[in-house]
Amino acid sequence: EPEVTQTPSHQVTQMGQEVILRCVPISNHLYFYWYRQILGQKVEFLVSFYNNEISEKSEIFDDQFSVERPDGSNFTLKIRSTKLEDSAMYFCASSQTGTNYGYTFGSGTRLTVV
Amino acid sequence: AQSVTQLDSHVSVSEGTPVLLRCNYSSSYSPSLFWYVQHPNKGLQLLLKYTSAATLVKGINGFEAEFKKSETSFHLTKPSAHMSDAAEYFCVVSATSGTYKYIFGTGTRLKVLA
Repeated sequence: EPEVTQTPSHQVTQMGQEVILRCVPISNHLYFYWYRQILGQKVEFLVSFYNNEISEKSEIFDDQFSVERPDGSNFTLKIRSTKLEDSAMYFCASSQTGTNYGYTFGSGTRLTVV
Repeated sequence: AQSVTQLDSHVSVSEGTPVLLRCNYSSSYSPSLFWYVQHPNKGLQLLLKYTSAATLVKGINGFEAEFKKSETSFHLTKPSAHMSDAAEYFCVVSATSGTYKYIFGTGTRLKVLA
């Protein structure tokens, strides 16, 4: 069964550093998403991406964050100048149709900011 | 706006006994509802989904859920718990427009006792 692949699975970074979280969505999917889960809290929507642009973003997704699809297969989340509160599990997801029939999540990247 | 409320943060059952995880939703339109499971240090796995077809939805690993519009509920059940069912379970409602982002419940941690 096709999978969404995320790398790395764990990343530790110093406060103030930039990190890039990488995702390879399912190949024929057109809609891409990032969610995050701070330890002990619920999963929160960050951003959705379609046709090479952001289609929706949450209040969390401020100027510190950016997304990009640099080539035909990767989808990245960049966090500039990381803060301690950015420590979380970040999930990538993709969908073929962007409808409400559900989409596929990756296994996540655990980001720890120290 | 859509929302879901998971009524129990923790549920403990004995192996071989039934499981009931409760979820109530709020939606202005006919909702799309999902249950996801997250095993420790793992990603989000889709258990089942309701998208306005049959009200009783069967999922993987013996789980099922019933959509009850009159009660605005979408409870998850399983006739007989297995040790491997111990995990965090999330009830999710999909937005009905835009990018169909997911709105997650706060999760229910299921503990299965031997």
